[in-house]
Amino acid sequence: DAKTTQPPSMDCAEGRAANLPCNHSTISGNEYVYWYRQIHSQGPQYIIHGLKNNETNEMASLIITEDRKSSTLILPHATLRDTAVYYCIVRSGGSSNTGKLIFGQGTTLQVKP
Amino acid sequence: KAGVTQTPRYLIKTRGQQVTLSCSPISGHRSVSWYQQTPGQGLQFLFEYFSETQRNKGNFPGRFSGRQFSNSRSEMNVSTLELGDSALYLCASSRDGGPGANVLTFGAGSRLTVL
Repeated sequence: DAKTTQPPSMDCAEGRAANLPCNHSTISGNEYVYWYRQIHSQGPQYIIHGLKNNETNEMASLIITEDRKSSTLILPHATLRDTAVYYCIVRSGGSSNTGKLIFGQGTTLQVKP
Repeated sequence: KAGVTQTPRYLIKTRGQQVTLSCSPISGHRSVSWYQQTPGQGLQFLFEYFSETQRNKGNFPGRFSGRQFSNSRSEMNVSTLELGDSALYLCASSRDGGPGANVLTFGAGSRLTVL
């Protein structure tokens, strides 16, 4: 699975959009980009995933560049409850590795009032 | 629907003892994975079970083992506990519908303290 690079920390004002970048320059054609987050001392929570196209759900939007070498997770209106560590993970779509995620250090997002 | 349930939530053991942690996946999910989280090493994959068989294994010593039952519930065991085994142990389940994207749902974790 491709390696990802994320900034260690970011701040965001409450109510503003939070844009979290992720570089995955070695991503291959069948690898998906996943985003999870972990609020302090809880289990990680799935946010969104994508392969090629931009994706949106009730939590966030995922923008993937055309060359797929980087992506951005967008939380449109950040709240204090969005303060968490955000993990960008790249993994192939094969079923043999369903449960195996390689977590990096992630980005600690601090939403401030 | 009910989420992933892990028991116990907290436990304290002493060095040399063993511990068994339990995980009940979401109904219909056949894949169960285990992770260890420590402040120094972050989140690390332990192993994954699917249809009662270990499908993947991380880089952990043989003291760490697991199993999965026919109802997909899983247990993990750590024998001869060491101080460094103090961690949050997380279980995750997935439907595993075949090739393509597969989303993991994590439990709240079992926090183990080894004294």
